[in-house]
Amino acid sequence: NAGVTQTPKFRILKIGQSMTLQCTQDMNHNYMYWYRQDPGMGLKLIYYSVGAGITDKGEVPNGYNVSRSTTEDFPLRLELAAPSQTSVYFCASSDRTAGAYEQYFGPGTRLTVT
Amino acid sequence: QKEVEQNSGPLSVPEGAIASLNCTYSDRGSQSFFWYRQYSGKSPELIMFIYSNGDKEDGRFTAQLNKASQYVSLLIRDSQPSDSATYLCAVNRNTGNQFYFGTGTSLTVIP
Repeated sequence: NAGVTQTPKFRILKIGQSMTLQCTQDMNHNYMYWYRQDPGMGLKLIYYSVGAGITDKGEVPNGYNVSRSTTEDFPLRLELAAPSQTSVYFCASSDRTAGAYEQYFGPGTRLTVT
Repeated sequence: QKEVEQNSGPLSVPEGAIASLNCTYSDRGSQSFFWYRQYSGKSPELIMFIYSNGDKEDGRFTAQLNKASQYVSLLIRDSQPSDSATYLCAVNRNTGNQFYFGTGTSLTVIP
């Protein structure tokens, strides 16, 4: 199993540009998440999904959109990129095992907006 | 008040010593508590989780939970230089929906 994969690994965007961060998991997990991590900070939840066709906002959803058309894929869309969106983005998936929801993270996408 | 608070450190311990990492949380509805290790430039990696009061041991790691005090800790015995990383505490209401992370504690194990 590849686990959780993310593309691209790095990206530089100009202010106002748009892009999609891709995330795929092969563990058949129902739950998927997008986080951002700013330097020296913890993870902030952007959006999450409890299954195909169902998404909901996390703590910091402004400036982002998501979709979940399949169990495997959970892309994150940035519209009109701003410097405040410079961050490392992590996708994760989970399901309930052994009494708790264990999250597995992808390798991350490092995004710079200039 | 932050949902999850951790001392940012840095915490330095000599090789072979016990490292003690602490975390407090504000939501009394929290049911599951997680410890992640994150090496610089890498993604978080789950070390262990706990959901019952008391201790849970896994190899050199022991998680301790006290729901009455809203406190969870991680002990690392026989610390190794490879344990040098940032340790993130996370909590969840055991619904799978929302996880709240602390800002992490930086640990350095000195050879």
